[in-house]
Amino acid sequence: QVQLQESGPGLVKPSQTLSLTCTVSGGSISSGSYYWSWIRQPAGKGLEWIGRIYASGNTNYNPSLKSRVTISVDTSKNQFSLKLSSVTAADTAVYYCARDIGTVVDPWGQGTLVTVSS
Amino acid sequence: DIQMTQSPSSVSASVGDRVTITCRASQGISSWLAWYQQKPGKAPKLLIYAASSLQSGVPSRFSGSGSGTDFTLTISSLQSEDFATYYCQQANSFPLTFGGGTKVEIK
Repeated sequence: QVQLQESGPGLVKPSQTLSLTCTVSGGSISSGSYYWSWIRQPAGKGLEWIGRIYASGNTNYNPSLKSRVTISVDTSKNQFSLKLSSVTAADTAVYYCARDIGTVVDPWGQGTLVTVSS
Repeated sequence: DIQMTQSPSSVSASVGDRVTITCRASQGISSWLAWYQQKPGKAPKLLIYAASSLQSGVPSRFSGSGSGTDFTLTISSLQSEDFATYYCQQANSFPLTFGGGTKVEIK
């Protein structure tokens, strides 16, 4: 059974770059027709899809964040990563990584809180 | 972007009640709709995909229906473990978008 786990700094300063990694276990990130997604949720608010990557490196990004987002994959480590540049307080949220089969997102990692503050 | 509007934003119900949540898309999305359940401090869990297909392991009291722009999630007999927030999500076009959520609370 595939499991995902986010990791990275919980505190990022304004204007800096947020960097998170998702480690996939219980299956290869390269197997199957899966994408690997990042989604975030500000406290008490709804869900925002950030973007996704295929094992080949093909990416799709949310246009609202596209200028600041980079998602990459390291198949040798069975990981994929998120970089979000020029962060502000509005980027404070719980960040989830998840498997994306193109129509649904499942399963999800447990989520990691990232706070943007000086 | 396709906007997903859920109603109500919250509902108070008792164990055993039938609960219906609606989700409306700003444009037609065929049956490319999923429903998720989220409990406090936890990640969302997939309940329904393709508008009406029950995800493996999800109790049969959950059901989904609809196509085009109007969709519903029904819990036929609410159980204590069902008190949570429910989100719809469209996958017809990028970016994937979610509804604002419906919180099911204990009456």
